[in-house]
Amino acid sequence: KQEVTQIPAALSVPEGENLVLNCSFTDSAIYNLQWFRQDPGKGLTSLLLIQSSQREQTSGRLNASLDKSSGRSTLYIAASQPGDSATYLCAVRHGRGNNRLAFGKGNQVVVIP
Amino acid sequence: DAMVIQNPRYQVTQFGKPVTLSCSQTLNHNVMYWYQQKSSQAPKLLFHYYDKDFNNEADTPDNFQSRRPNTSFCFLDIRSPGLGDAAMYLCATSRETGAYEQYFGPGTRLTVT
Repeated sequence: KQEVTQIPAALSVPEGENLVLNCSFTDSAIYNLQWFRQDPGKGLTSLLLIQSSQREQTSGRLNASLDKSSGRSTLYIAASQPGDSATYLCAVRHGRGNNRLAFGKGNQVVVIP
Repeated sequence: DAMVIQNPRYQVTQFGKPVTLSCSQTLNHNVMYWYQQKSSQAPKLLFHYYDKDFNNEADTPDNFQSRRPNTSFCFLDIRSPGLGDAAMYLCATSRETGAYEQYFGPGTRLTVT
């Protein structure tokens, strides 16, 4: 069974600092990995999708890396802003079984002005 | 333009009173998913449709049912809501299973009184 872990559960950083969020998964047989943002009481917004054959994806201030063999992904957010305050969820798409998304519980981020 | 639409955004129902949540999509995707997310927890897949083919997760309670009358619409029916069913319900779509990205709607927050 695929297990996805995100540590720490919550963190605070001063505005302007770079954010580094970590995700680990137990089964390397994945199709892809997605990073999502979730604001309180809202749905999920997809930030980046990394296919299993890729090592990283970039969008603006966001960069996500994937090391499939070691079961890790990292989301970098450069020069954090108060508007980046949210919960960030990592999810992997199984390469076995019914291809369901397995989610971590998220990193709750607060950027302090 | 919204691609995955959920209605209503907020739903209040009484204990034991049947409730239906709605999801529609403009992407013409083959696969539609329903997830349940409780506070501070990871989203949990309830079931998904591949076209008209219904796929239930093994641990989804019988109280939860789903209908997909056509490609665009999918409904989540909760036959007898209990207090433990209060949660955010997320609908998602993907073009196919496997390596395709999932697109999420804004969610419906269900309160059971």
